[in-house]
Amino acid sequence: DVKVTQSSRYLVKRTGEKVFLECVQDMDHENMFWYRQDPGLGLRLIYFSYDVKMKEKGDIPEGYSVSREKKERFSLILESASTNQTSMYLCASSSGTFTDTQYFGPGTRLTVL
Amino acid sequence: GDSVTQMEGPVTLSEEACLTINCTYTATGYPSLFWYVQYPGEGLQLLLKATKADDKGSNKGFEATYRKETTSFHLEKGSVQVSDSAVYFCALSLYGGATNKLIFGTGTLLAVQP
Repeated sequence: DVKVTQSSRYLVKRTGEKVFLECVQDMDHENMFWYRQDPGLGLRLIYFSYDVKMKEKGDIPEGYSVSREKKERFSLILESASTNQTSMYLCASSSGTFTDTQYFGPGTRLTVL
Repeated sequence: GDSVTQMEGPVTLSEEACLTINCTYTATGYPSLFWYVQYPGEGLQLLLKATKADDKGSNKGFEATYRKETTSFHLEKGSVQVSDSAVYFCALSLYGGATNKLIFGTGTLLAVQP
């Protein structure tokens, strides 16, 4: 069974802290994605990666960075967390073609106080 | 630009009622179309997909037909159950150069009452 795991289900941080969200997939997928989900806005793409050490900005990259040192792991970094980054963060992975399914992790609900 | 529009919720139905959630899209190319479902407290999972015009995707009693002439991909089910209560997302995928990217609608909350 395919599996995407995220390091935390719930996280509470303070404004200005550096935050790391980790995502691991066991499907040997080339592509990995970070989204944030907010009520009324659906899912918005933050960053994605199509290969190790390769990354591209999504629709809302400001305030975020990413790291992909190994194929199975994709990290989202909030350099200095702010209250407007309180959200649900979802990681996903997929293989190489545009007809292919993206597989999602369970999500991390981040609260920034 | 490319986009997906789906009906706003919440949609509240009684058990065994018929369901239709409307989804239309705008795309410059020939997208693949998806319905994802998010059960309470979980991530998204694929419900069904269609990769070309007139294809019908189906799963768990849900169906959707890729209609190029009306740029639509409406989700239907003949008889809903309480366990179908979830948020449903319509999405399209276009080849984006390096990889596929999904563009999502805003989601439709379905609440099924016993």
